[in-house]
Amino acid sequence: DVVMTQSPLSLPVTLGQPASISCRSSQSLVYSDGNTYLNWFQQRPGQSPRRLIYKVSNRDSGVPDRFSGSGSGTDFTLKISRVEAEDVGVYYCMQGTHWPPFTFGPGTKVDIK
Amino acid sequence: EVQLVESGGGLVQPGGSLRLSCAASGFTFSSYWMSWVRQAPGKGLEWVANIKQDGSEKYYVDSVKGRFTISRDNAKNSLYLQMNSLRAEDTAVYYCTSGGDYWGQGTLVTVSS
Repeated sequence: DVVMTQSPLSLPVTLGQPASISCRSSQSLVYSDGNTYLNWFQQRPGQSPRRLIYKVSNRDSGVPDRFSGSGSGTDFTLKISRVEAEDVGVYYCMQGTHWPPFTFGPGTKVDIK
Repeated sequence: EVQLVESGGGLVQPGGSLRLSCAASGFTFSSYWMSWVRQAPGKGLEWVANIKQDGSEKYYVDSVKGRFTISRDNAKNSLYLQMNSLRAEDTAVYYCTSGGDYWGQGTLVTVSS
């Protein structure tokens, strides 16, 4: 199974400042079709997960453009350009290249300093 | 408006069974792979099972193979998870998701004597 790791696991941020979360996979996530199936999910306190980014860098509909995804191969990053209060929650990366099983990272908890 | 509404959770004794349901609306259910993802209390996300659009392919995480069965009824826009031989470690909120695009609010399954 592909193991997903994230760092940091806890990220206190200042409102208006940028934030960055790293995600690494135990093997390359490039699929035979040339796509890389790496997604990012946000889970606000008490809510269901919500996908923010699919295939590394594509924002889902309604996701603010302060969220961006980048990376390739085994190393990926989610960036928030200016953190807002509504961004508090846990962020998960998930690979959909080598399945089953789909595997999630452990999550990064973002809160306000 | 897209909606996924799970039901069927509850308290069950170890070794018991439960059947979860997920009612979908607002999108073309029959066009999507569908999945169940769970989240143990205070823990991260774990993919449990998924099923192809026509039900011809089903996949499971190793820990539930032989105990859980995923199914769907496209005529009723519904997804199901039959859970047998339940264990304490199956205690979690179970989410229905359309491959990550849409998520339900979850239903809590508690396995305890």
